[in-house]
Amino acid sequence: AQSVSQHNHHVILSEAASLELGCNYSYGGTVNLFWYVQYPGQHLQLLLKYFSGDPLVKGIKGFEAEFIKSKFSFNLRKPSVQWSDTAEYFCLTGGGNKLTFGTGTQLKVEL
Amino acid sequence: GAVVSQHPSRVICKSGTSVKIECRSLDFQATTMFWYRQFPKQSLMLMATSNEGSKATYEQGVEKDKFLINHASLTLSTLTVTSAHPEDSSFYICSAKQMNTEAFFGQGTRLTVV
Repeated sequence: AQSVSQHNHHVILSEAASLELGCNYSYGGTVNLFWYVQYPGQHLQLLLKYFSGDPLVKGIKGFEAEFIKSKFSFNLRKPSVQWSDTAEYFCLTGGGNKLTFGTGTQLKVEL
Repeated sequence: GAVVSQHPSRVICKSGTSVKIECRSLDFQATTMFWYRQFPKQSLMLMATSNEGSKATYEQGVEKDKFLINHASLTLSTLTVTSAHPEDSSFYICSAKQMNTEAFFGQGTRLTVV
């Protein structure tokens, strides 16, 4: 069965700090990995996705994630966060018609 | 990108009545739709997965007779909360996807049962 683990539940950063949110997955089949973001009062939006190919994936708003198969990880990174990045971030894995959520990480960026 | 429309965005109903929430994929055919419930300050909880033309698969602890899911076409799934009670008040979110693609999420429905 698919499972996704996000280790950081709450993260508080100052503007311009670097961000890395951990995500580990457990799935033996074809791995599709996603990061979604939910800004306050808005619906979930796709940040980036990995299906195959280059394991370093670039997403919107300066986010990137690296698929490391040996570590079963797909960590989300951003070199310099902004106040507007305050949101909840979800790591998902999906193969076929399955879709499994991580528990989410609440990021708060302080001015 | 693809759009998933969820309607209504807000609904208030009396205890004991039923409420239907619609989820439509506007520009693609969704082989699978998911229904989630989100409690305040918590992550999304998967309620059920539905494939077009077949019965929904409910997660453990979710009452299928209370939360009726119909996925009659490749672009429409409905969630009916039957005999709603105040504890059913929550934020309900749907998502839709095709095989091996990302999922697209609706904007959610805030249900308040009074």
